[in-house]
Amino acid sequence: GNSVTQMEGPVTLSEEAFLTINCTYTATGYPSLFWYVQYPGEGLQLLLKATKADDKGSNKGFEATYRKETTSFHLEKGSVQVSDSAVYFCAIPANQAGTALIFGKGTTLSVSS
Amino acid sequence: DTEVTQTPKHLVMGMTNKKSLKCEQHMGHRAMYWYKQKAKKPPELMFVYSYEKLSINESVPSRFSPECPNSSLLNLHLHALQPEDSALYLCASSQDHGVLPTQYFGPGTRLTVL
Repeated sequence: GNSVTQMEGPVTLSEEAFLTINCTYTATGYPSLFWYVQYPGEGLQLLLKATKADDKGSNKGFEATYRKETTSFHLEKGSVQVSDSAVYFCAIPANQAGTALIFGKGTTLSVSS
Repeated sequence: DTEVTQTPKHLVMGMTNKKSLKCEQHMGHRAMYWYKQKAKKPPELMFVYSYEKLSINESVPSRFSPECPNSSLLNLHLHALQPEDSALYLCASSQDHGVLPTQYFGPGTRLTVL
């Protein structure tokens, strides 16, 4: 099956700092790739996705590019805000049938003003 | 609208109780999922329903019993749970798995077993 490896935190940044959270994957074929965000006390929200190589997913100032050559899908944001404090999960379908998602271990981001 | 709703938001139950968690979506999705999430861990898949039929059971103990009454509803029946079953239970849905695997999650039910 597929697998995903995500940098673990916690990541602590000041407001307006640049954010990178690394995610690499191992997969058969070229699966869709996802970033989900979980705010304190809430469920998971889809942040962005990419469905093929070189696609760039973007949402709320966050971006991630599907890099086939490095099997990576790193999450970036140019200027973080306090409201971005959350746990971020990289995710990939478990197999080619796409029956379920498997998640990285999650990265906790704390942004201070 | 990409909303998945779950009730209740919080649930406290004893080990001898029977309770049910409910999940609903009106996006026309034909695949629905139950995940379990322990604190500071990623979600772990429990069950997958596809076109109202159970397609995956990730070796979940029988004290958890899923049910899909129709294409919009998903239940999780709980009986004789253990304290270690305390967790956030997340429901998700997708248009279908395979070609379009994007899953949308509900807010979860936080379960405490005493």
